[in-house]
Amino acid sequence: GAGVSQSPRYKVAKRGQDVALRCDPISGHVSLFWYQQALGQGPEFLTYFQNEAQLDKSGLPSDRFFAERPEGSVSTLKIQRTQQEDSAVYLCASTRGPYLSGANVLTFGAGSRLTVL
Amino acid sequence: TQLLEQSPQFLSIQEGENLTVYCNSSSVFSSLQWYRQEPGEGPVLLVTVVTGGEVKKLKRLTFQFGDARKDSSLHITAAQPGDTGLYLCAGARSGGSNYKLTFGKGTLLTVNP
Repeated sequence: GAGVSQSPRYKVAKRGQDVALRCDPISGHVSLFWYQQALGQGPEFLTYFQNEAQLDKSGLPSDRFFAERPEGSVSTLKIQRTQQEDSAVYLCASTRGPYLSGANVLTFGAGSRLTVL
Repeated sequence: TQLLEQSPQFLSIQEGENLTVYCNSSSVFSSLQWYRQEPGEGPVLLVTVVTGGEVKKLKRLTFQFGDARKDSSLHITAAQPGDTGLYLCAGARSGGSNYKLTFGKGTLLTVNP
């Protein structure tokens, strides 16, 4: 597609529920990232995929967070047993190559806003 | 932990005024990017600077990367209401993890007509 598409745009969950957030990156983009943006904060890195391989998951806050990209295109971020502190906007981004540079830029989706009650 | 400090956090000005926002760190970055984010949208890349001392211009926006590659500034001339938004700086480290961006908290700019 022309841009990075995320769904759902808004999700309200009761504490303890599981949620799944989907990201469709730009077609042909090798690298895919998930970032978490809490209210009033800048985005914080969660995880990085190069094709289907998850090369870095150091930013995932706990083992309740799980991300996958099984065919190297669409990615899903799953949060199990949601807690109130999980409330945030979850941003997906993709880039053509494996590393960031002046010529290899990051394109973000509009995000999925998760509210946990 | 936010390694990039942005200032000011909030800025409200009148149309036509000039402004400068700052992004400072004690760490060295291989490149630094500036993004603008509007409500309900993801950040949109404005510019990438990679060389210490580099200055880039994008219409009324001037970006500067510090000589030591630890800090950056964004100057807007004759601000317009369309410039309103959250301005984020983000740094990439050198080496094996240069795919990972560290963002500041942002400067929320409001330009009043």
